[in-house]
Amino acid sequence: GEDVEQSLFLSVREGDSSVINCTYTDSSSTYLYWYKQEPGAGLQLLTYIFSNMDMKQDQRLTVLLNKKDKHLSLRIADTQTGDSAIYFCAESMAGGSYIPTFGRGTSLIVHP
Amino acid sequence: DVKVTQSSRYLVKRTGEKVFLECVQDMDHENMFWYRQDPGLGLRLIYFSYDVKMKEKGDIPEGYSVSREKKERFSLILESASTNQTSMYLCASSNRVGSYNEQFFGPGTRLTVL
Repeated sequence: GEDVEQSLFLSVREGDSSVINCTYTDSSSTYLYWYKQEPGAGLQLLTYIFSNMDMKQDQRLTVLLNKKDKHLSLRIADTQTGDSAIYFCAESMAGGSYIPTFGRGTSLIVHP
Repeated sequence: DVKVTQSSRYLVKRTGEKVFLECVQDMDHENMFWYRQDPGLGLRLIYFSYDVKMKEKGDIPEGYSVSREKKERFSLILESASTNQTSMYLCASSNRVGSYNEQFFGPGTRLTVL
């Protein structure tokens, strides 16, 4: 079955790195996504990784994919207060439905 | 820029009222979705539509219906609002390209049912 798991909360100090983790169960996942939801807003795609990649870097963001362990992580370097948001992990599958499977979201709280 | 707009940001209704939530997208997307978002529960899919006049039930369709008369517009209807339908409602649209399936979300409607 399809299941995407995330921890619900993460608290970090401004300037530190944040690592948000996600596990998924379906081995046929082809794309894995990270969405960001700022307070009072909808979700917006932050980054994604194709399943044949191990790592993807985009400025302060690093996505790591461990297919063997079905583990995805998002690292935010030099975390700022503006990074405070809910981060959702999601997956879509080859031949799958129109609907990606979302995790429940991790609330990132950045302290000054 | 893809834009998904929702008719209201905040809505307050009374128990038993009929409620319409409207969503419009401007990217000619085939697929449209309605989710509700509650703390600790993440996103739960209510209904989705993959074509005009087509609709499919999601995980929690009870108490809701939908309408898609035009490609760009997807409406969520609460036939008789109840307090347990107080929630944040998010509309999304997508065009699946192979197995790449990015969803574009509206800003959400926070509905309070008194």
